[in-house]
Amino acid sequence: KNQVEQSPQSLIILEGKNCTLQCNYTVSPFSNLRWYKQDTGRGPVSLTIMTFSENTKSNGRYTATLDADTKQSSLHITASQLSDSASYICVVSDSWGKLQFGAGTQVVVTP
Amino acid sequence: DGGITQSPKYLFRKEGQNVTLSCEQNLNHDAMYWYRQDPGQGLRLIYYSQIVNDFQKGDIAEGYSVSREKKESFPLTVTSAQKNPTAFYLCASSIGPANTEAFFGQGTRLTVV
Repeated sequence: KNQVEQSPQSLIILEGKNCTLQCNYTVSPFSNLRWYKQDTGRGPVSLTIMTFSENTKSNGRYTATLDADTKQSSLHITASQLSDSASYICVVSDSWGKLQFGAGTQVVVTP
Repeated sequence: DGGITQSPKYLFRKEGQNVTLSCEQNLNHDAMYWYRQDPGQGLRLIYYSQIVNDFQKGDIAEGYSVSREKKESFPLTVTSAQKNPTAFYLCASSIGPANTEAFFGQGTRLTVV
């Protein structure tokens, strides 16, 4: 069973609207959680990285939250742009540095 | 691109052939990794290397081999023993262990014909 589950699997939003992606994990012991953006046919690019003590972190229009107690994270995209169309991947690292990858949420922003 | 270069971008292989995917980084990172990405699945670790002349198997190492003769280079060979090699392959590097930030290359799409 995958230790990192993302939802929804895909979503379509109108340009200018907001959306929220979810990530639930069971990785233990927890070290950090990262969100990556992956454009089609390209490598993932880091958006945020959060440790146990961090509840929220922003990177421009991207805001990630972390609840280490419930083992949940979210990525909020504000005022979406066409360039936000991509797959968003949640990655959780355990204390030994092993990374567990979610399957990603495919976001499509339409005009 | 984070200073990691993968080549080629697209690769076609006949069944029974070995092929080698290149990964070069100029970030002076000690650790390098190879992942495989299949549709609808998360990235899976094939091999990783934390230092020159040393590497470890990941979760799906069967049918693959690597070498780490230089700090900046970590080539991956997909052998004929890999029964389902068609996939998108990603190379990554980090300063140290995987707890630190990982930077990815642009990937190589391998197709068996």
